[in-house]
Amino acid sequence: NAGVTQTPKFQVLKTGQSMTLQCAQDMNHNSMYWYRQDPGMGLRLIYYSASEGTTDKGEVPNGYNVSRLNKREFSLRLESAAPSQTSVYFCASSDLTGAPREQYFGPGTRLTVT
Amino acid sequence: QQQVKQSPQSLIVQKGGISIINCAYENTAFDYFPWYQQFPGKGPALLIAIRPDVSEKKEGRFTISFNKSAKQFSLHIMDSQPGDSATYFCAASMRYTGFQKLVFGTGTRLLVSP
Repeated sequence: NAGVTQTPKFQVLKTGQSMTLQCAQDMNHNSMYWYRQDPGMGLRLIYYSASEGTTDKGEVPNGYNVSRLNKREFSLRLESAAPSQTSVYFCASSDLTGAPREQYFGPGTRLTVT
Repeated sequence: QQQVKQSPQSLIVQKGGISIINCAYENTAFDYFPWYQQFPGKGPALLIAIRPDVSEKKEGRFTISFNKSAKQFSLHIMDSQPGDSATYFCAASMRYTGFQKLVFGTGTRLLVSP
């Protein structure tokens, strides 16, 4: 079991460029999440997908889009990157049928926008 | 109402000492309070969690104390070890249909000196 995997690990973009962050989980979880982590601000929810075929906005969705490709995969797209999107991005997944209500996090993607 | 306030921002403890991190919340709809541990370059991982119907939960050297009336909870690390050096996030969760919303504190960077 690889758990939650994310690609790429690092990325540098110029302002205005686009890119897609990939996330996959092999735990058969229904729910998947995208967070960004910035110094002194904890983790903030960008988008989530409660189940395959559904997506919803979180706390900081502006400038991002998501796709829940299938039960395993949940991608995050930056259409026109801005320096304010420099951050570490984490994907997570969870299964609410079990206990505890743990979210499992991937290793993160460190994105720098110049 | 959705915020979780965490303190201190950073903490230095000698090996063998007690590390204490505090969190406070406002929204009484939160029904699950996890703590996540994050090592540099890694994603957060669940450390320990508590529900508001109990006042304390202990797992090894880690204890959560929960004060429902004050809307506060804290993490105590007994006999702190250098391997405990990491960033700790408290969180508060409420469960919606099909997904779990986690609101994170801003994190505490713990350094345990040898």
